[in-house]
Amino acid sequence: LAKTTQPISMDSYEGQEVNITCSHNNIATNDYITWYQQFPSQGPRFIIQGYKTKVTNEVASLFIPADRKSSTLSLPRVSLSDTAVYYCLVGGYGRALTFGSGTRLQVQP
Amino acid sequence: DSGVTQTPKHLITATGQRVTLRCSPRSGDLSVYWYQQSLDQGLQFLIQYYNGEERAKGNILERFSAQQFPDLHSELNLSSLELGDSALYFCASSVETTGRLFYGYTFGSGTRLTVV
Repeated sequence: LAKTTQPISMDSYEGQEVNITCSHNNIATNDYITWYQQFPSQGPRFIIQGYKTKVTNEVASLFIPADRKSSTLSLPRVSLSDTAVYYCLVGGYGRALTFGSGTRLQVQP
Repeated sequence: DSGVTQTPKHLITATGQRVTLRCSPRSGDLSVYWYQQSLDQGLQFLIQYYNGEERAKGNILERFSAQQFPDLHSELNLSSLELGDSALYFCASSVETTGRLFYGYTFGSGTRLTVV
């Protein structure tokens, strides 16, 4: 299983853009990169998924360089409600995803 | 509502007892995964079932077992409970395809187990 490394915590202010980078040096050819958000006492919620280059949806963007050994989740103009733990996972269909420690994002007013 | 249903939401039981947690996956999803999350910890993968058969095992204790039934719902059985088993237990489901598409997991809201 591909291991991921991401910062333990990050602080930001409302209205700022937040970029969380995850490294996954041993990503396999058929692995996808998926990011989840988790609030206290709730199940993780899917944010975005990508395989290569850039993916954007209504809540975030995901940047993946050509070598795919890292990825960056970008949250535009964060608000207090974005305070949560963000997990980067690497894997593909048929294989269980392994969650790392995640990045605890604290957004201040 | 994510479409993944877990019952009960809360469970309080004594040490040494046995409990069963239930999960109904999202309609159309064949795979069910169980995760354990202790206080302020990450999610630990326990076990995966696909269409009724065990597919992968993680850090699941021998006191724990699971199964997936023909209607695809799954049950996680925890026996000889210890104080350290107190945690949130999450179930997730996913679509499994034979192609390269992978849509990730959909998580339920969890069962909070408290062992006293």
